[in-house]
Amino acid sequence: DTAVSQTPKYLVTQMGNDKSIKCEQNLGHDTMYWYKQDSKKFLKIMFSYNNKELIINETVPNRFSPKSPDKAHLNLHINSLELGDSAVYFCASSQGPHLTRGEGARTRYGYTFGSGTRLTVV
Amino acid sequence: AQSVTQLGSHVSVSEGALVLLRCNYSSSVPPYLFWYVQYPNQGLQLLLKYTTGATLVKGINGFEAEFKKSETSFHLTKPSAHMSDAAEYFCAVLRLHYTGTASKLTFGTGTRLQVTL
Repeated sequence: DTAVSQTPKYLVTQMGNDKSIKCEQNLGHDTMYWYKQDSKKFLKIMFSYNNKELIINETVPNRFSPKSPDKAHLNLHINSLELGDSAVYFCASSQGPHLTRGEGARTRYGYTFGSGTRLTVV
Repeated sequence: AQSVTQLGSHVSVSEGALVLLRCNYSSSVPPYLFWYVQYPNQGLQLLLKYTTGATLVKGINGFEAEFKKSETSFHLTKPSAHMSDAAEYFCAVLRLHYTGTASKLTFGTGTRLQVTL
């Protein structure tokens, strides 16, 4: 069973279109993330949701709108796609409580990543 | 702010040779450090992590890393490279979000490992 699954794996679309990427995790984690990997392989966090609530929004253009219908799903909708949006988008999940040390700390075990969605805007 | 620096965007070794991929971190608190591997056209796979305790950490596929606080380093090593080790390797540091309900991985720029015959 795939722990964190993303669809589609590849997405080619024209500038100006609107597209969505879906992510689902079956690990029972309470926090989910979107990371973007650019053409130079640099990975950076975009968003984080905890139990359907937006926690982290890293100065991402508002053309990007994440939606979390429940804690097992985090979708990414992108409006008015631009050439610069071409990248690989990774979904990930982690388990709380998000303490980094002490009893009960579990986030220290890191994340589980999906296999990525390669978005190409032409 | 926490950050990691990976020295060398591209490392080439011969099969059977020692692999050394360098990572230095910057953190005002004791860091949690990770190494991830990305094979071509695939996702990120956790190689190993340092949280607390033993500073020499063993991971999958024969890799290990040593946390050295005095040198602010977390270099990744493998005694004998295999062709299948060719991939992109990322060092990362974990930071807790102030709300306590999420965390953030800050990645280095990656090191591409090439293994030659």
